[in-house]
Amino acid sequence: KQEVTQIPAALSVPEGENLVLNCSFTDSAIYNLQWFRQDPGKGLTSLLLIQSSQREQTSGRLNASLDKSSGRSTLYIAASQPGDSATYLCAVIARGNTGFQKLVFGTGTRLLVSP
Amino acid sequence: KAGVTQTPRYLIKTRGQQVTLSCSPISGHRSVSWYQQTPGQGLQFLFEYFSETQRNKGNFPGRFSGRQFSNSRSEMNVSTLELGDSALYLCASSLDPLGLKLFFGSGTQLSVL
Repeated sequence: KQEVTQIPAALSVPEGENLVLNCSFTDSAIYNLQWFRQDPGKGLTSLLLIQSSQREQTSGRLNASLDKSSGRSTLYIAASQPGDSATYLCAVIARGNTGFQKLVFGTGTRLLVSP
Repeated sequence: KAGVTQTPRYLIKTRGQQVTLSCSPISGHRSVSWYQQTPGQGLQFLFEYFSETQRNKGNFPGRFSGRQFSNSRSEMNVSTLELGDSALYLCASSLDPLGLKLFFGSGTQLSVL
């Protein structure tokens, strides 16, 4: 059974700092890994998607890496801003009980960036 | 292009009642999946539909059911509501047939009193 864990559970940093969020998964047989952002009481916004054959993806100040063999992914946020404050979730596509895919989510990291 | 639309946004019910939530996917998306989010359990997969067929189902009791219509709109139903069903219910749609990249709606916040 695929399990996804995120460390740390919460993080508080001053504006301008670079930071790293960690995600680990137990079964390396994944199709892809996605990083999402969730604002309080809202849905999820996809930030980056890394295919299983890729090692990293970049979008603006965000960079996500994937190491399937070790079951780890990191999300790097450069020059953090107060607007980055949100909960960040990683999710992997795993094979479901009928052979099709389902998204397995991590526990999330709650980020607070102070001005 | 409109995003994934979920209605209603908020819902308050009492124990024992039933509820139906609606999800309209992005135009052209045929895969729709549902997730339950609670503070204690996080985000958990409920079920996924593609072209009106349920392709995958999570580990939830039979009180949770869903369906998809020919226009790809989906509904999920929860019967005999329990206090523990209070959660944010999220719907996601995908363009690709395998449902590998998901776009989420804002969710329906269900409170069971």
